[in-house]
Amino acid sequence: DVKVTQSSRYLVKRTGEKVFLECVQDMDHENMFWYRQDPGLGLRLIYFSYDVKMKEKGDIPEGYSVSREKKERFSLILESASTNQTSMYLCASRPPGLVDEQYFGPGTRLTVT
Amino acid sequence: QKEVEQNSGPLSVPEGAIASLNCTYSDRGSQSFFWYRQYSGKSPELIMSIYSNGDKEDGRFTAQLNKASQYVSLLIRDSQPSDSATYLCAAVTNDYKLSFGAGTTVTVRA
Repeated sequence: DVKVTQSSRYLVKRTGEKVFLECVQDMDHENMFWYRQDPGLGLRLIYFSYDVKMKEKGDIPEGYSVSREKKERFSLILESASTNQTSMYLCASRPPGLVDEQYFGPGTRLTVT
Repeated sequence: QKEVEQNSGPLSVPEGAIASLNCTYSDRGSQSFFWYRQYSGKSPELIMSIYSNGDKEDGRFTAQLNKASQYVSLLIRDSQPSDSATYLCAAVTNDYKLSFGAGTTVTVRA
């Protein structure tokens, strides 16, 4: 059974803080993703990675960076948190290929005050 | 144009009725399609996948794919209040990632 875990379910940070969101998957998937989800805007891709140390910008990378030092772990970093980054953050993983499904973590609800 | 478009709803159906959700996609090269269900405050969970033209049934859910029309649909038969959720359509467009629609919110009235 695939498991994608995220370090926190709820997080409250202050404006200007550096924030780390961690994601770990246990199925040896090459591809990992970070999304944010806001009411009325659907899932928006922030960054993804298709291999260790590889990263690609998604649709809304501004204000975020990522790190993938190990295959199972993909971190999202908010260098200086702002109130407009208050959101639900979802991590996901999937193997490469055209038919495989994507698995999501439970999500982290981040509030920046 | 977005890669995957869904009718945004919300869709309200009485208990026991059929809920019909529609999705279109723009990339003719898309091979695989998925329907995810997402309850409020939770992460998306996969409920159906479909890869070839026609219908695929799983319990009360039926997915339909028409690649010529670039159209995917999900039917929920005998809708239950527990089916009230947002349903996301997704298409695989390359080896790396899925493209998601904005979701259709379904409410089943008891």
